[in-house]
Amino acid sequence: DAMVIQNPRYQVTQFGKPVTLSCSQTLNHNVMYWYQQKSSQAPKLLFHYYDKDFNNEADTPDNFQSRRPNTSFCFLDIRSPGLGDAAMYLCATSRDGSAGEKLFFGSGTQLSVL
Amino acid sequence: GESVGLHLPTLSVQEGDNSIINCAYSNSASDYFIWYKQESGKGPQFIIDIRSNMDKRQGQRVTVLLNKTVKHLSLQIAATQPGDSAVYFCAECCAGGGADGLTFGKGTHLIIQP
Repeated sequence: DAMVIQNPRYQVTQFGKPVTLSCSQTLNHNVMYWYQQKSSQAPKLLFHYYDKDFNNEADTPDNFQSRRPNTSFCFLDIRSPGLGDAAMYLCATSRDGSAGEKLFFGSGTQLSVL
Repeated sequence: GESVGLHLPTLSVQEGDNSIINCAYSNSASDYFIWYKQESGKGPQFIIDIRSNMDKRQGQRVTVLLNKTVKHLSLQIAATQPGDSAVYFCAECCAGGGADGLTFGKGTHLIIQP
């Protein structure tokens, strides 16, 4: 089945140690999103790629970066994780970002920072 | 600022009863609304959507109602089952264009009691 796949399912890192989270999709969608979801809170958009064009949300810290080497893959890099960055990170896709399109979510990566 | 919010953080219903989850939104320019279901440790799963030119839409056991006059959205789940236990998020789009992603409300935790 066409899917949005996130790896790993659980990630543990140390305070200040760079970490990369991965997302792949078989939907051939143009738009890929990264959301951060803290416990008992709504998902919060960090940034998205429209094809190769990167779009950062105004309040996303510089500590968070992203790469999209091709249509299928998108990575979230946290350069120096702090304790406050512990959260579920959700990857999502949409076909072409048109108004009124559904987003398809992966199962998320739960990040713990020790 | 503009926001999407939910009235109640937790809703408990008896198995077999109907449930209604409410959502208030404040961005009158939003023209597309979605309900997502998120089970523990998983990504949000699309349930049903509605465009601003409609006031009601039905799916399998679910109905979404949109009242643009008071900026209110609700999700009705008929004959609730144990598998309906989850957090339900309303989300709005796309005053700024679709590729900006969704703005999520805070979520309602639906608990189905046997």
